[in-house]
Amino acid sequence: NAGVTQTPKFRILKIGQSMTLQCAQDMNHNYMYWYRQDPGMGLKLIYYSVGAGITDKGEVPNGYNVSRSTTEYFPLRLELAAPSQTSVYFCASRGQSGGNTIYFGEGSWLTVV
Amino acid sequence: KNEVEQSPQNLTAQEGEFITINCSYSVGISALHWLQQHPGGGIVSLFMLSSGKKKHGRLIATINIQEKHSSLHITASHPRDSAVYICAVRDTGNQFYFGTGTSLTVIP
Repeated sequence: NAGVTQTPKFRILKIGQSMTLQCAQDMNHNYMYWYRQDPGMGLKLIYYSVGAGITDKGEVPNGYNVSRSTTEYFPLRLELAAPSQTSVYFCASRGQSGGNTIYFGEGSWLTVV
Repeated sequence: KNEVEQSPQNLTAQEGEFITINCSYSVGISALHWLQQHPGGGIVSLFMLSSGKKKHGRLIATINIQEKHSSLHITASHPRDSAVYICAVRDTGNQFYFGTGTSLTVIP
């Protein structure tokens, strides 16, 4: 299993540009999450999904959109990038069972200039 | 107020020392996770526990549900243990809350 795969690893965007962070997992996990990590802060939930076709907002959803058309993929879309979206983004997944641990992608470093 | 509080924020230890990182939380939980993040790297789960104690090699994690407190211990610390350790709790609604992390540096 590859686990959780995120791309790209690094990206520089200009203000107003749009982009999609890709996330894929091959563990047939129902739960998928997008977090952002800012310096000195804990991970903040952007969006999450409990299964294909179901998504919901987290703590900091403004400026982002997601889709979950299949179990495997959970892309995060940034529309009209702003400097405040400069951050490290992590995708994560977890199985249905309460005993399942959480798996993270390697992270995507995004800078908006 | 954060749902998860960790202490200390930063910790420097000599190689071989016994290390303790503490985590307190304020929500009802289904499970607590200890995560490790190396500089520039991803995040990996070290432990998931909902009661008692777990041990993996030199790492030990304990949780006291009544006191809403968990500790991560590292015995015989080594420079390769240098990383950020993050406490995370999963509430009964399957949401995760994360501490801000403890940055550990182990000096040879």
